[in-house]
Amino acid sequence: KAGVTQTPRYLIKTRGQQVTLSCSPISGHRSVSWYQQTPGQGLQFLFEYFSETQRNKGNFPGRFSGRQFSNSRSEMNVSTLELGDSALYLCASTFLDPSKETQYFGPGTRLLVL
Amino acid sequence: AQKITQTQPGMFVQEKEAVTLDCTYDTSDPSYGLFWYKQPSSGEMIFLIYQGSYDQQNATEGRYSLNFQKARKSANLVISASQLGDSAMYFCAMRVVGSNDYKLSFGAGTTVTVRA
Repeated sequence: KAGVTQTPRYLIKTRGQQVTLSCSPISGHRSVSWYQQTPGQGLQFLFEYFSETQRNKGNFPGRFSGRQFSNSRSEMNVSTLELGDSALYLCASTFLDPSKETQYFGPGTRLLVL
Repeated sequence: AQKITQTQPGMFVQEKEAVTLDCTYDTSDPSYGLFWYKQPSSGEMIFLIYQGSYDQQNATEGRYSLNFQKARKSANLVISASQLGDSAMYFCAMRVVGSNDYKLSFGAGTTVTVRA
């Protein structure tokens, strides 16, 4: 079974631009979560989608948004990019097994904002 | 709210030896899950092992075992017979289980360097 895929893997943008990142979960997984990883703040939860609905949101400004499609693929968008948005963005998918509900991560998208 | 503490920023271990990575947590929820992930320099987070708060036995997965001490709120990862490929960052994480909150709270991580 294929793992979580994320595109693009690397991205360079300039301040003020907007960016869209994509995540395809493992087949059969319906929950998709996004995390931001920076050297200063570590790993922080952005949001989680299930059945095309955002169920949880972390403490990030409204410039960060996301959506999920009917095939469970998810996108996240960051508008009006700031230098501090440079980070590794990780997507994780979960199969809703009540015993574990383990999140499996993709390879991440490295975003550099200049 | 959940909080994870990893107090070891970095560790060195000799190949074929065992290493223990410390993790303590804090939560008021009675039902939770504890996870360990490995992150090589490539960036991908690789799931290693899971321990549920109600599990009676410590979890094991191959060379990985989790030393779960519920009363002390600790969930240390033990890697036995270290290999050069084990060099990576290791994260302890937790979330409430059985709710619709899928947020994982992560510790700061521990960098492990395996020496030949």
